[in-house]
Amino acid sequence: EAQVTQNPRYLITVTGKKLTVTCSQNMNHEYMSWYRQDPGLGLRQIYYSMNVEVTDKGDVPEGYKVSRKEKRNFPLILESPSPNQTSLYFCASSFTSGSINEQFFGPGTRLTVL
Amino acid sequence: QKEVEQNSGPLSVPEGAIASLNCTYSDRVSQSFFWYRQYSGKSPELIMSIYSNGDKEDGRFTAQLNKASQYVSLLIRDSQPSDSATYLCAVIWGDDKIIFGKGTRLHILP
Repeated sequence: EAQVTQNPRYLITVTGKKLTVTCSQNMNHEYMSWYRQDPGLGLRQIYYSMNVEVTDKGDVPEGYKVSRKEKRNFPLILESPSPNQTSLYFCASSFTSGSINEQFFGPGTRLTVL
Repeated sequence: QKEVEQNSGPLSVPEGAIASLNCTYSDRVSQSFFWYRQYSGKSPELIMSIYSNGDKEDGRFTAQLNKASQYVSLLIRDSQPSDSATYLCAVIWGDDKIIFGKGTRLHILP
């Protein structure tokens, strides 16, 4: 089954404790992206990657890191989480044919930072 | 700064009627436009994509694009309670820039 998976689905942590949210897709997509979704603010892009070893900042990259060592994986790293990073996070992937196409989203990770 | 604007709603529409959702964007260079549906607590899923001016129909859904006026709309005919969700408009600029609108909450009244 073609899908984007994220783990964990739910996470409660404390300020300053490093964490990684994994994202994996099995569709051989070039493009992958991380978003956070907050009430009233919509879906905002954190980082994206057009292909392996190519990453770029989105609209809200502060406090986050990513890497793209393999085509299928795109982990999101919070080195020192803070309460303002409490949010619902989505990973997405897409074919690119000169530009981004339809994005397929993972199920989401609900993160709470105390 | 590139922006995508949507009315947050809620937009209430009687069952069986036509729901009309609108989205405006700030940059004429935009190439690709997408409508996603998102149920509460779930991930967004693609409803329609449109790339050229005019209408594109898929079942009960019609996307309309007017690049000169910089708006894209989504019409849902014969609205069903299962259409109650938040609808997100997404606009692509260049090869790698994407911005989502904040979404319109649609409520279909039985």
